[in-house]
Amino acid sequence: NAGVMQNPRHLVRRRGQEARLRCSPMKGHSHVYWYRQLPEEGLKFMVYLQKENIIDESGMPKERFSAEFPKEGPSILRIQQVVRGDSAAYFCASSLSTGQVLTEAFFGQGTRLTVV
Amino acid sequence: AQSVTQLDSQVPVFEEAPVELRCNYSSSVSVYLFWYVQYPNQGLQLLLKYLSGSTLVESINGFEAEFNKSQTSFHLRKPSVHISDTAEYFCAVSAYSGAGSYQLTFGKGTKLSVIP
Repeated sequence: NAGVMQNPRHLVRRRGQEARLRCSPMKGHSHVYWYRQLPEEGLKFMVYLQKENIIDESGMPKERFSAEFPKEGPSILRIQQVVRGDSAAYFCASSLSTGQVLTEAFFGQGTRLTVV
Repeated sequence: AQSVTQLDSQVPVFEEAPVELRCNYSSSVSVYLFWYVQYPNQGLQLLLKYLSGSTLVESINGFEAEFNKSQTSFHLRKPSVHISDTAEYFCAVSAYSGAGSYQLTFGKGTKLSVIP
């Protein structure tokens, strides 16, 4: 049973380009979370999705950022018109259920985005 | 809203010495507490968690943490560290966000450096 898979592991984009980050949750998991880790900072929650639904996007910047988790395929975090401040490590986590309490989330190895 | 404070950003310690990584949290609701470990250029791995029951929880590699409700703390300890314990450690709290989901809120991390 493969863990949470993120790709690419490293992504370099020029300012103004688009970045697409992919996350395949663990088999059987239907809940996906995206977190951003800035240098010298902890992880900050961005968005929580279930299949075809955004449940909580309270941590998502209002502009340029979007996320989806389609019925088929991986979850995508999309950043349009990237700026240098978007450079960070982006982590995806998945869980089996969050109906009552988030007891455990499994994290991917992250995508390290560098904007030049 | 909940928050997590890790009081030490860096902790150097000699091999085979004991170590304590401190974590305090604030929350107005019941919480569940976690410690994650991140090795260089890797994702986060769950080290241990407190959900309920015994306030002392242990990991398979010798770490333990004690939930202290009155002091709102969840400090991580190990009686004798190894070189391989060098990593960054994140304390996290899971609580209901009020936006329809439970979320993990992370501290800023503590970098443990084990000196030979």
